[in-house]
Amino acid sequence: GESVGLHLPTLSVQEGDNSIINCAYSNSASDYFIWYKQESGKGPQFIIDIRSNMDKRQGQRVTVLLNKTVKHLSLQIAATQPGDSAVYFCAESSNTNAGKSTFGDGTTLTVKP
Amino acid sequence: EAQVTQNPRYLITVTGKKLTVTCSQNMNHEYMSWYRQDPGLGLRQIYYSMNVEVTDKGDVPEGYKVSRKEKRNFPLILESPSPNQTSLYFCASSPRYGDYGYTFGSGTRLTVV
Repeated sequence: GESVGLHLPTLSVQEGDNSIINCAYSNSASDYFIWYKQESGKGPQFIIDIRSNMDKRQGQRVTVLLNKTVKHLSLQIAATQPGDSAVYFCAESSNTNAGKSTFGDGTTLTVKP
Repeated sequence: EAQVTQNPRYLITVTGKKLTVTCSQNMNHEYMSWYRQDPGLGLRQIYYSMNVEVTDKGDVPEGYKVSRKEKRNFPLILESPSPNQTSLYFCASSPRYGDYGYTFGSGTRLTVV
């Protein structure tokens, strides 16, 4: 079968390396997905989103990949910087219940200089 | 500045004493929501609202009330707080479904003794 990345609660990378953060979602009806970044003492902050009619979306230094077959989402951060150190969450929503947004387990990213 | 404002930032109260946490957004967003964040449990949605006078239960609504009498305000009411409601609370707003997700406030740290 197809392999997908495991969700890890913590991830430590060297500055300048690429980071990959994984998320599994549960609802087959979900059609909108978001990655948030939460820095210490702050609320979550939008990074990038993707709709279910797409497989990939790119932003500035970030890329989100969506695999609907196995209900998996990943966030790739290129050339990771110390300022990227934070907790990262994925969230899923469905247009049949548009206001409801369910967060996944977070991943704490630590960037070593 | 476009923002979601919660008050107070910190609150210590006693069991059973009714309290309200206020939330206001100045972005004319349609959707508003409340989340609680607990160690090991991530972010869980309490209530959300997709329009004035329209509110729906999230995943953990027990012990909470909300109201949406005006578009900009979405207060969270704890009629009889209990120690298990000690948590970090976030209010959030969104312009519409599928558009940049939720913008979060800075959080309210509530302790119930």
